[in-house]
Amino acid sequence: SYVLTQPPSVSVAPGQTARITCGGNNIGSKSVHWYQQKPGQAPVLVVYDDSDRPSGIPERFSGSNSGNTATLTISGVEAGDEADYYCQVWDISSDHYVFGTGTKITVL
Amino acid sequence: QVQLVQSGAEVKKPGASVKVSCKASGYTFTSYDMNWVRQATGQGLEWMGWMNPNSGNTGYAQKFQGRVTMTRNTSISTAYMELGSLTSDDTAVYYCARKSHWYSDYWGQGTLVTVSS
Repeated sequence: SYVLTQPPSVSVAPGQTARITCGGNNIGSKSVHWYQQKPGQAPVLVVYDDSDRPSGIPERFSGSNSGNTATLTISGVEAGDEADYYCQVWDISSDHYVFGTGTKITVL
Repeated sequence: QVQLVQSGAEVKKPGASVKVSCKASGYTFTSYDMNWVRQATGQGLEWMGWMNPNSGNTGYAQKFQGRVTMTRNTSISTAYMELGSLTSDDTAVYYCARKSHWYSDYWGQGTLVTVSS
C-alpha cells in the first residue's frame, strides 16, 4: 500500500517560515492535499491539488509537489498556526485515500 | 453554508456494533460523495471508506472490509456509518467529511466512540 511519511514535529519562531514535507514514491505524479487540525477540533482543508487554497485560507499557506516530496509552506507563522498537519492523496492503484503520518507544528 | 452534524458520543461493549449518523445541510446531499475517517486518541487520521449518496455505491478500506457498512437516507440528507464486532482498538473519534474530487472539503464535528467492557 502507498505510504506517506511526514516529520513528527517542526518548531518555528513567530514570523518565520515553516516547511512541512510529505514523502511518497513518485508523489509528484499525484495531487496532494493538506489539512490543519487543532486540538479537539475536526481537520480543516488548507491546501488542495498541490497548491490551491480554499476560500478563507490565508495566502501564508502554500504548497508544492515534485518528485518524491510534497511541501506545505507557512509563511509568517503565527501562534494560531500551532496544530497538527496532515497530507493526503488518492492512491489510484488501491482506490484508497491515504493520509500522511502527521506533523505537529510548534510555535516557539 | 455547508454543515455536517454528527450524532452524539457512544459507549459500546466489545463485540457490539455502533451506528454513527451525519446530517448534511447547505448543499445538495446527493451531489457529493461522503468519506468516513477515524482518529484514535493521540493518533493520526485513518480513512475508512466512501459512499455515493445518489447511488448508494460504497468503497471501503481493506482494513474494514466485512465489518463496516455505509448507508444513507436521502429524504433527510443523512449518511450513516455502522461498524461491527467492536474491540478496544476501535475506540476513536469518527468523522464524516464531504468528498470533493479527491479531497475532503467539509468535515463533521466528530463522534467519540468508546469501546469498553
